Amino acid sequence: EDKVVQSPLSLVVHEGDTVTLNCSYEVTNFRSLLWYKQEKKAPTFLFMLTSSGIEKKSGRLSSILDKKELFSILNITATQTGDSAVYLCAVAPGNTGKLIFGQGTTLQVKP
Amino acid sequence: GAVVSQHPSWVICKSGTSVKIECRSLDFQATTMFWYRQFPKQSLMLMATSNEGSKATYEQGVEKDKFLINHASLTLSTLTVTSAHPEDSSFYICSAGQGSGEKLFFGSGTQLSVL
Repeated sequence: EDKVVQSPLSLVVHEGDTVTLNCSYEVTNFRSLLWYKQEKKAPTFLFMLTSSGIEKKSGRLSSILDKKELFSILNITATQTGDSAVYLCAVAPGNTGKLIFGQGTTLQVKP
Repeated sequence: GAVVSQHPSWVICKSGTSVKIECRSLDFQATTMFWYRQFPKQSLMLMATSNEGSKATYEQGVEKDKFLINHASLTLSTLTVTSAHPEDSSFYICSAGQGSGEKLFFGSGTQLSVL
């Protein structure tokens, strides 16, 4: 059965800290791994990773994929209170377009 | 990025009534849309894949007669929760992608509360 597991499930840090969120997966016919940020309603797209070892970066956020060990990490440096959200990892099996989501990591950044 | 519009954003209904939720891709055509459900403090669970012009594909455990999906055009998919009951109360969210990729864009979601 395809599954995506995120850790930790929740995290509380202070502004300026650096955090690393983890995502491991087991899926047949892996196509890509995606990270989303969900604040109140709709998840917003962060990254899509398809190749191992290539870091994707956007401002203070970065992510990398290891297809051999079947995991990805999402790094956030110099965290701000606006980074507080649920971060979702999802994997696309095959080319159906559907996604399998992990449980999410709830990040709270305190001032 | 692409825009996916979902309506209504919030609905309260009585037990036994039906509720229709619309999902529109505003600036692109989507042959496939996806419907997810999210319970509080849980992740998104795929309910079904909506295919334009054909029957939806439901995930295991999702009742197709209860959750009716219609995808009559390339920009609109609807989810109807028939004879809703309190246990159907949840956050329902749709998504659509451009082309054959899986970079999905999500609607704003619909919070359904069944009394």
